[in-house]
Amino acid sequence: AQSVTQLGSHVSVSEGALVLLRCNYSSSVPPYLFWYVQYPNQGLQLLLKYTSAATLVKGINGFEAEFKKSETSFHLTKPSAHMSDAAEYFCAVRGRTGYQKVTFGTGTKLQVIP
Amino acid sequence: NAGVTQTPKFRVLKTGQSMTLLCAQDMNHEYMYWYRQDPGMGLRLIHYSVGEGTTAKGEVPDGYNVSRLKKQNFLLGLESAAPSQTSVYFCASLTGGSYEQYFGPGTRLTVT
Repeated sequence: AQSVTQLGSHVSVSEGALVLLRCNYSSSVPPYLFWYVQYPNQGLQLLLKYTSAATLVKGINGFEAEFKKSETSFHLTKPSAHMSDAAEYFCAVRGRTGYQKVTFGTGTKLQVIP
Repeated sequence: NAGVTQTPKFRVLKTGQSMTLLCAQDMNHEYMYWYRQDPGMGLRLIHYSVGEGTTAKGEVPDGYNVSRLKKQNFLLGLESAAPSQTSVYFCASLTGGSYEQYFGPGTRLTVT
């Protein structure tokens, strides 16, 4: 069975500081991995995805994530936080076969302090 | 293309009432999903469908029923609403040729 663990339900950073949101996955085979962002009262928007090409994946809004098989991690980073980055972020894992079930983490709320 | 749309956006029900949430997608996607989102619990899968006329249970199916009579529509029904079903409901769709799901804007349901 696949699962995702997001470490830290709330993360606070100062504007201009590094953003690091942690995600660890469990899967019997190398999965597809995703980061989604949710702004208040909105749906989920895809930030980036790992599909087994490059292990360093670049997404929208300056975010990137690195797939590390040895650590079963897919942490999300951004060099310099902006106020507009304040949102909730979800890591998700999807198997490569079957009915395409997607499992989501419990989310991390990012607060950006001016 | 409108993508994934959900109707209604908000609803307040009394305990025991019934209602149906409609999800529609215009991308010809095979797979459709219903999730509920609760604080601190992420998104939990209620039911899903791998094609027209097929449905299956997800992680938290109790108290909900679904139907997929047309490929573009996925209905979520609550036969007898309970306060524990107060949540935000998201629909999503996926095609076998792509990787990520596409989400609707959500329906905020309150059961009093």
